[in-house]
Amino acid sequence: AAGVIQSPRHLIKEKRETATLKCYPIPRHDTVYWYQQGPGQDPQFLISFYEKMQSDKGSIPDRFSAQQFSDYHSELNMSSLELGDSALYFCASSPPTEGGYTFGSGTRLTVV
Amino acid sequence: AQKVTQAQTEISVVEKEDVTLDCVYETRDTTYYLFWYKQPPSGELVFLIRRNSFDEQNEISGRYSWNFQKSTSSFNFTITASQVVDSAVYFCALSDPFGNEKLTFGTGTRLTIIP
Repeated sequence: AAGVIQSPRHLIKEKRETATLKCYPIPRHDTVYWYQQGPGQDPQFLISFYEKMQSDKGSIPDRFSAQQFSDYHSELNMSSLELGDSALYFCASSPPTEGGYTFGSGTRLTVV
Repeated sequence: AQKVTQAQTEISVVEKEDVTLDCVYETRDTTYYLFWYKQPPSGELVFLIRRNSFDEQNEISGRYSWNFQKSTSSFNFTITASQVVDSAVYFCALSDPFGNEKLTFGTGTRLTIIP
C-alpha cells in the first residue's frame, strides 16, 4: 500500500539558510499535516491543509510557511534557520472519511 | 483544550515480562479518537491503534492489548511477554471529534527491554 512520502530524509543546513521539505500524501487523502519533533520531545502540530487551503495552525514560527499544491503534495518552507529548528519534521495525511491518519518517515533537519 | 498525560517517562523491564504503559487524557469533546504510536530508534512513527470514544471494548492484537476506560479517561497499553524489539518510545495521542484533525501527543514513554 502507498504511504506518505517525505523528502529529503536528511538535511543539513547552516544558520540563516533556507530549507524546503516536501510531502506527498497517500493518493485520495485530502488533508495534510505537518509536525515538528525536537530532540527528546513529542511531536508538535505546526499546520494543516484541507483541499489546498490552510485548515488549522499551531505553533509555527513566522519564518516558516507552507502550502498544498494542486496535486495535493505539500511543502514546508523554513527561512532564516536557527539552531533550535533542528528537529524531525513529520508529515501526515488523512482521507475524506474517518480515520486513516498516516505519518511519513520524517525529515531530519540539522542546522549547524 | 485537549491534554494527554503519560506519567511514566521511562520504563525498563526484563525480556518476557509484561509491561503496561499508562495514558490519561483530557478533553471537552464527547466524541474523539485515541491513538498509540511506537517510535523506534530509527525515528519513524509507527501506528499501533486508533480507538473511537464510543467503543469501550478492550482490544487485543497479538502481544499487544489496550484498555480503554472512559470513566477514568484512560487508554492504557499492555505488552505481554515483552521482546527486545519492543524497545522504543511510545506515544499516546488524542484527536478531535472526527479524527481528521491535529493530534495532541503525550510526552511519551521510553520503554527499554533488557535481554
